[in-house]
Amino acid sequence: KNEVEQSPQNLTAQEGEFITINCSYSVGISALHWLQQHPGGGIVSLFMLSSGKKKHGRLIATINIQEKHSSLHITASHPRDSAVYICAAIKAAGNKLTFGGGTRVLVKP
Amino acid sequence: KAGVTQTPRYLIKTRGQQVTLSCSPISGHRSVSWYQQTPGQGLQFLFEYFSETQRNKGNFPGRFSGRQFSNSRSEMNVSTLELGDSALYLCASSWGWKETNRYGYTFGSGTRLTVV
Repeated sequence: KNEVEQSPQNLTAQEGEFITINCSYSVGISALHWLQQHPGGGIVSLFMLSSGKKKHGRLIATINIQEKHSSLHITASHPRDSAVYICAAIKAAGNKLTFGGGTRVLVKP
Repeated sequence: KAGVTQTPRYLIKTRGQQVTLSCSPISGHRSVSWYQQTPGQGLQFLFEYFSETQRNKGNFPGRFSGRQFSNSRSEMNVSTLELGDSALYLCASSWGWKETNRYGYTFGSGTRLTVV
C-alpha cells in the first residue's frame, strides 16, 4: 500500500462545477503540499499546509491531521483548471517528500 | 526573484551514454532534492542535498548520483543510460531543514530525458 493515496485518479467536470480531490496518508508528516502540473511538466505548489484550511482564489485546501486526510477543492471550475493535481507529504522523519499518484482533472466548457 | 532553474529542458541520449542535469535553486535556498517522474511510477524521490552533503537517498541504483556545490547549485548524473531512464527529472529547492516545514518546496520546470 502506498504511503500517500489520492482519489479519484481521473475526474471530468463541466465548467462551473465544484471539484474535490482527496488525499490520505499513512505516515507521520510535518506538512503537505498540493501541487499542480500542466502538460509540459512544470510543477507549481498551490498550497503547503500543516493544519486547518487555506484559501487562494477559487482553490481551498484542508487538512485533518488526526484523520490523516487532506482535500483540495476547486470552486466554480474553469477549463484552465485542467491539469494533474498531486498531493505530496513532507514526512516528519527526514523531511522527504512522498507523492500521491495524482488526479487528472479535465474541465469541459 | 528567479525561480528554480533546470537545464537543459530537453535531452535525447543513446543507451549506454551518461548524462548530467543541472539545477540552480532559489537564491538563499540551501536544500536541493531530485525526483524522477514516469507514467508508470509517478513521482519518485531520488536524493536530497543540503550544504553539499547528501541527506536522503531514494531507492535507485548506483547509476544515479548527484552532488551539490558551495553555491547550492546541484547536478545529477546518470551513467550507462537505459531505455527505462526516459523520464521527466524535476528538482525542488527549499530553505533547509527546519524551514522546510514552514515554507515548503519550490519546483523547477524539469528536464525531459529521452533515451533511445
